[in-house]
Amino acid sequence: EAQVTQNPRYLITVTGKKLTVTCSQNMNHEYMSWYRQDPGLGLRQIYYSMNVEVTDKGDVPEGYKVSRKEKRNFPLILESPSPNQTSLYFCASSSYSEEQYFGPGTRLTVT
Amino acid sequence: AQSVAQPEDQVNVAEGNPLTVKCTYSVSGNPYLFWYVQYPNRGLQFLLKYITGDNLVKGSYGFEAEFNKSQTSFHLKKPSALVSDSALYFCAVRDIFNKFYFGSGTKLNVKP
Repeated sequence: EAQVTQNPRYLITVTGKKLTVTCSQNMNHEYMSWYRQDPGLGLRQIYYSMNVEVTDKGDVPEGYKVSRKEKRNFPLILESPSPNQTSLYFCASSSYSEEQYFGPGTRLTVT
Repeated sequence: AQSVAQPEDQVNVAEGNPLTVKCTYSVSGNPYLFWYVQYPNRGLQFLLKYITGDNLVKGSYGFEAEFNKSQTSFHLKKPSALVSDSALYFCAVRDIFNKFYFGSGTKLNVKP
């Protein structure tokens, strides 16, 4: 089954404790992206990647890091999480001009 | 600045009536346009897209959207709403640099 998987689905952590949210797709898509969803703001793009070893900043990259060492994986790293990073996070993938497939989401709470 | 606007936080419609969810954008170049739907506690699902060609695009579940270049709009429509269409709808734009911009979302309520 074609899918985008994210782990963990739920995470509660404390300020400053480094964390990684994993994202993996099995569709051989070139394009992968991370978004955060906040009430009233819709989805905002954090980082995206056009292919292996190619990443670019989206609209809200501050406080986040990504890497794309393999085509199927695109982990999101929060080196020092803060409460304002409490949000619902989505990973997505697509072929270049096609629609994105979204993962199920990761709900992160930073206290 | 690039942006996507969904001017209505909520749209209420009776089952069987036509529905429209509005979207306008301010993105340079010839962007790709998308509509997604989100059901509670779920990820986003693709409905339809416009890249080029016919201004009226047909998508999943009977939805369609009309692209209007002069008004930079991409409104989502359906001739006859179903209660099961009740969900959160997002308009999205992909610019020439492959960055995505999403609207703030419109909650569609279809009442029996």
